[in-house]
Amino acid sequence: EAAVTQSPRNKVTVTGGNVTLSCRQTNSHNYMYWYRQDTGHGLRLIHYSYGAGNLQIGDVPDGYKATRTTQEDFFLLLELASPSQTSLYFCASSDAGGRQDTQYFGPGTRLLVL
Amino acid sequence: QQQVRQSPQSLTVWEGETAILNCSYEDSTFNYFPWYQQFPGEGPALLISIRSVSDKKEDGRFTIFFNKREKKLSLHITDSQPGDSATYFCAAEPGTGGYKVVFGSGTRLLVSP
Repeated sequence: EAAVTQSPRNKVTVTGGNVTLSCRQTNSHNYMYWYRQDTGHGLRLIHYSYGAGNLQIGDVPDGYKATRTTQEDFFLLLELASPSQTSLYFCASSDAGGRQDTQYFGPGTRLLVL
Repeated sequence: QQQVRQSPQSLTVWEGETAILNCSYEDSTFNYFPWYQQFPGEGPALLISIRSVSDKKEDGRFTIFFNKREKKLSLHITDSQPGDSATYFCAAEPGTGGYKVVFGSGTRLLVSP
């Protein structure tokens, strides 16, 4: 079974602060994703990648940067955090990223921006 | 604008009853519908899925019913157990264009013993 880990699990920062969320998957999956989960909105895709050095824009990318340094590691960067970015963030990975593919999610990072 | 809608937002059933979770979509190109189950403090995990060429998919106590004409589907959980208490997300994937899974806002299910 795919293993996706995230760190930190909880993070508190102030408005304007700099935050990096980390994700690692150990199943050699090609695709990795960053989502945010908010009540009433479900899961919304921020960015995704299909390999090291690749980045694709998702549905809610404003205020977020991402970088895929290796096949295993995918980072989400908030360079000027705002209270609207308070959310629960999930990383996921999938094998082919193509049709009818299963996504494997990490345990999530809860971010609070004061 | 939500492309995938779920109802109800929350649902409470007694142990042993059948829970029915509803989902509808707008984009007729969607042709694959996974349902994810999420327990508190965890990430979502794939529970069951259906392709648009089928009208029913069963896996133990979990069954998806799919109506392509009405763009609706439902997840039925028979003999509900307290351990089924979780949030359930309906998702949809288009059959054409770039890869992008769209998630609904979820239904929170509570099964009371």
